[in-house]
Amino acid sequence: NAGVMQNPRHLVRRRGQEARLRCSPMKGHSHVYWYRQLPEEGLKFMVYLQKENIIDESGMPKERFSAEFPKEGPSILRIQQVVRGDSAAYFCASSRTRPSGEQFFGPGTRLTVL
Amino acid sequence: SQQGEEDPQALSIQEGENATMNCSYKTSINNLQWYRQNSGRGLVHLILIRSNEREKHSGRLRVTLDTSKKSSSLLITASRAADTASYFCATDAGSSGSEKLVFGKGTKLTVNP
Repeated sequence: NAGVMQNPRHLVRRRGQEARLRCSPMKGHSHVYWYRQLPEEGLKFMVYLQKENIIDESGMPKERFSAEFPKEGPSILRIQQVVRGDSAAYFCASSRTRPSGEQFFGPGTRLTVL
Repeated sequence: SQQGEEDPQALSIQEGENATMNCSYKTSINNLQWYRQNSGRGLVHLILIRSNEREKHSGRLRVTLDTSKKSSSLLITASRAADTASYFCATDAGSSGSEKLVFGKGTKLTVNP
């Protein structure tokens, strides 16, 4: 029973490029969450999605960031025109149903912007 | 305002000793969770305690929750070098419609062999 999968594990981009991060939730999980972690910090919530719906995007920066969770395929976190400040670890979590409470985390994608 | 603030920020103990980490939060919650993160890795879920529970055990872990003080503690008994990691508490928003977890900055635990 595979856990939450994220790829790539490491991503290097130059300023101005686009970063695409993928997350496949655990089997049977229909709720996906994205979090960002800066060095020596805790995780900060970005967005909560269910299949084809964004439920809560209160933690998403207003510009350049978008997320989707299509009917088929993984959830995608997209960052356009990356800047150095976007360098961080991005974690995806999934849960089975509401309100299960328990979220299972993937290994994260470490984005470095040069 | 930040939920889930852990203290201490860093803790160094000898193998075999107990480690206690505390977490305080500000708003009402449905549940509180503790996670462990090894350096450069993802988060591992340790334990979830619901707002109507006061204490929960899992192996060498003991979690308490005091909703009147808006605080929780994580106790690791008979610590091992492998317990070296950062520990985070996370609270849900407490309101319906939002499932987001709010994390503190974590306690960095070092267990010396």
